[in-house]
Amino acid sequence: DAKTTQPPSMDCAEGRAANLPCNHSTISGNEYVYWYRQIHSQGPQYIIHGLKNNETNEMASLIITEDRKSSTLILPHATLRDTAVYYCIVRTPNQAGTALIFGKGTTLSVSS
Amino acid sequence: GAVVSQHPSWVICKSGTSVKIECRSLDFQATTMFWYRQFPKQSLMLMATSNEGSKATYEQGVEKDKFLINHASLTLSTLTVTSAHPEDSSFYICSVGGGGSYNEQFFGPGTRLTVL
Repeated sequence: DAKTTQPPSMDCAEGRAANLPCNHSTISGNEYVYWYRQIHSQGPQYIIHGLKNNETNEMASLIITEDRKSSTLILPHATLRDTAVYYCIVRTPNQAGTALIFGKGTTLSVSS
Repeated sequence: GAVVSQHPSWVICKSGTSVKIECRSLDFQATTMFWYRQFPKQSLMLMATSNEGSKATYEQGVEKDKFLINHASLTLSTLTVTSAHPEDSSFYICSVGGGGSYNEQFFGPGTRLTVL
């Protein structure tokens, strides 16, 4: 799986958009970008994934650059409950039998 | 996605005792489950991959005789911490692989183990 690089921490004001970057310059053609988050003392939660097109669901939007070397997870209106560690992971989707490997992620702190 | 439960959510035990943690896939038949451990202020570390009906595969540095994993059915995997010591105190999390349309992993809520 390709390596990813994320800033260790970010702050965001409640109600504002939180934009979390991820660099994955060695991503290969068949690898997807997955985002998970972990709220304190809970198990990680799947957020969204994408290959090359921008994606949106009820939780977030994922913007992937045209060269696919980086992406941004966008929480459009951050709330206090979005305070968590966010993990960007690159892998192929046909890997149900292999575990996710977590880096250090980005700790997002949302404040009022 | 798959719904995963863990039991207990927290446990306190005396040093030298054994503790069993259950991981259940409630709505998905999981051929493969994963066990992670997380120490305070650290990321999740994969301990082992549990395959239904066969022996688990342990990551380097994880003692298979200390952390016994049983995956006897497609909905249940158990992790037994044998002869627990204070250094085994941690947050243990299981996950199910392949539960989503793009093989996303889904995680249990975790079990907090404190060994006195």
